[in-house]
Amino acid sequence: QSALTQPASVSGSPGQSITISCTGTSNNIGSYILVSWYQQHPGKAPTLILYEVSRRPSGVSDRFSGSKSGNTASLTISGLQADDEADYYCCSYEHRSNVLFGGGTKLTVL
Amino acid sequence: QLQLQESGPGLVKPSETLSLTCIVSGGSISSTSSYWGWIRQPPGKGLEWIGSIFYTGNTYYNPSLKSRVTISVDTSKNQFALILNSVTAADAALYFCARGVVGALSHFDNWGQGTLVAVSS
Repeated sequence: QSALTQPASVSGSPGQSITISCTGTSNNIGSYILVSWYQQHPGKAPTLILYEVSRRPSGVSDRFSGSKSGNTASLTISGLQADDEADYYCCSYEHRSNVLFGGGTKLTVL
Repeated sequence: QLQLQESGPGLVKPSETLSLTCIVSGGSISSTSSYWGWIRQPPGKGLEWIGSIFYTGNTYYNPSLKSRVTISVDTSKNQFALILNSVTAADAALYFCARGVVGALSHFDNWGQGTLVAVSS
C-alpha cells in the first residue's frame, strides 16, 4: 500500500491561516471518517490534534480544524502561532483493517 | 493519567530479531475501549503503522510487515510487546507504542516517548 500524499512543506506568517491537504483513495479517506491528524515537534512523540476528520480532543485549540472532500482530507490552522511550527501527519483507516499515515508536512512559521 | 513507556535493546544485528516492550501505567491494558499499537519512524522520515492489538489478543498488522511481525499482550504485567524478525537496515527507526481507540484503528490518543533502534553488525 502507499502512504497518503501530503505536501512536503507549507509556510505562513503569524496570524495567518494555512491548510495542509492529505490525499488518499476510495479505499481509505474516500470511504471512512476515520481520519486523524498528528502534530510532532522535533524530538518529541506525535500528539493527536484531530480525529474522525474534524473532532478535537480535549485541550486542543479550536484554531485547528479539519474537513474532508472525496479522497482528500484537510487540516486548517488559523491564527498561526510560533509554536505551531512542527511536522503534521494525517492518518486514515483503510479497507481490511489497515492504517496509513501520510508522508508528513513541515510547517514553517515565518 | 495514562502513560506508555517503551523498552528494549537499542542495537540489533542484521537478520536477527527485534524485541520491544511497552509498559502501560495509569490505566488498564484490559480496557475494552483501547487498542494498543506500535508505530515507527525512520530517522528523518515519516510515521509507519506496524500493528495493533486488543487485550484479548486480537491483532491487526500492516500488510507490508505482517510476515515478520508479532504483537502480543500480557495483561498480568499490563504490557504489550513487539517482535520483528529478520531485521535489515530499513528497520532502523524510532519505535513508538501508543493507545488506540476501539472502533478507530487510526486514532492514537496517547503515545510513549519512543525508543531508538539501530541495526548494525
